[in-house]
Amino acid sequence: KAGVTQTPRYLIKTRGQQVTLSCSPISGHRSVSWYQQTPGQGLQFLFEYFSETQRNKGNFPGRFSGRQFSNSRSEMNVSTLELGDSALYLCASSLREGYEKLFFGSGTQLSVL
Amino acid sequence: GENVEQHPSTLSVQEGDSAVIKCTYSDSASNYFPWYKQELGKGPQLIIDIRSNVGEKKDQRIAVTLNKTAKHFSLHITETQPEDSAVYFCAAKETMNSGGYQKVTFGTGTKLQVIP
Repeated sequence: KAGVTQTPRYLIKTRGQQVTLSCSPISGHRSVSWYQQTPGQGLQFLFEYFSETQRNKGNFPGRFSGRQFSNSRSEMNVSTLELGDSALYLCASSLREGYEKLFFGSGTQLSVL
Repeated sequence: GENVEQHPSTLSVQEGDSAVIKCTYSDSASNYFPWYKQELGKGPQLIIDIRSNVGEKKDQRIAVTLNKTAKHFSLHITETQPEDSAVYFCAAKETMNSGGYQKVTFGTGTKLQVIP
């Protein structure tokens, strides 16, 4: 069974631009969570989607948004990029809403110049 | 909300020695405690987990202990090998109830280096 797939693997953007990241969960998994990983802050929860609905949201500004499609694939968008948005963005899928075991993708490394 | 503290931030051990990583949590309602291993260039991978109704769990060279009273839990790796070198994250989560979903809160990570 294929794992969680995140695309693209690397992104370089400039301040003020926007970016869209994609995540395909493990087949059969219906919940997708997004995390931001930085050296200083560790893994910070962004949001979780289940059945195309955002179920929970972390403490990030409104520039960070996401959505989930009917096939459980998810995208997250960051608008008006800032230098501090440079990070590894990880997507994790799980079997169902609130299920504890998370399966992570390899992430998208975003660099904002 | 939940706060998880993890120590040490870096740990170097000789191959064959044991490694211990400790975490504390703040929310007494948390009842699920997973540990993740992240190798370079990869996402975190679940290696072992424990629920609050269990005090210890072991899987080959890896074990986790939980002290609910003190609100701390630890990862123990015995007979360490070079392939154990990675960043390890602890986490805490409150099981979802009918009232809503609780997110997983991660510790800040421990970089383990096993010296051959």
